[in-house]
Amino acid sequence: DAGVTQSPTHLIKTRGQQVTLRCSPKSGHDTVSWYQQALGQGPQFIFQYYEEEERQRGNFPDRFSGHQFPNYSSELNVNALLLGDSALYLCASSLTSGGVSPLHFGNGTRLTVT
Amino acid sequence: AQSVTQLDSQVPVFEEAPVELRCNYSSSVSVYLFWYVQYPNQGLQLLLKYLSGSTLVKGINGFEAEFNKSQTSFHLRKPSVHISDTAEYFCAVRLNTGFQKLVFGTGTRLLVSP
Repeated sequence: DAGVTQSPTHLIKTRGQQVTLRCSPKSGHDTVSWYQQALGQGPQFIFQYYEEEERQRGNFPDRFSGHQFPNYSSELNVNALLLGDSALYLCASSLTSGGVSPLHFGNGTRLTVT
Repeated sequence: AQSVTQLDSQVPVFEEAPVELRCNYSSSVSVYLFWYVQYPNQGLQLLLKYLSGSTLVKGINGFEAEFNKSQTSFHLRKPSVHISDTAEYFCAVRLNTGFQKLVFGTGTRLLVSP
């Protein structure tokens, strides 16, 4: 049973560029959340997708956008990259129906902006 | 809004010694509480969770935590640590309603030496 998979594992971009990160949820999960983890910090919530809609959003600018596909996979897009966007981006999946479902995290995408 | 404070950024301990990692939270409403572990270059793995009921919660790898509502704490403990427990530990909280994000602390690095 595959867990949460993210691609790519590492990425280097230049300031001003755009980036797309991808996530496949754990089998049976229908909800995907994205978190940004800066070096030495705890993860910060970006947004959550369920039924192909953004259900909740954290304190991130509109440069951060996302999408969820019918197969529950998800993309995170970041436009006009800034040096401060350098971080580990974590995708987490869960099952919305049937009570409290803990988040299952992928290994993340390490984004470096130069 | 909820917040989580992990009082110790780093906890050094010798192998086979007991350890306690401290976590305090702030919330005006009922919450769920979680502990996650992060090994180098990996995502977060759920150690244990408190949803309701018994305030002593047992998790994987011999860890346990106790929910104390009056002190708004959720400290993590292990009676005897191993070298392999060296990792970053994150306490997290979420509201017990709807599509709610996880709010993480800044993490505690547990360093186990022989």
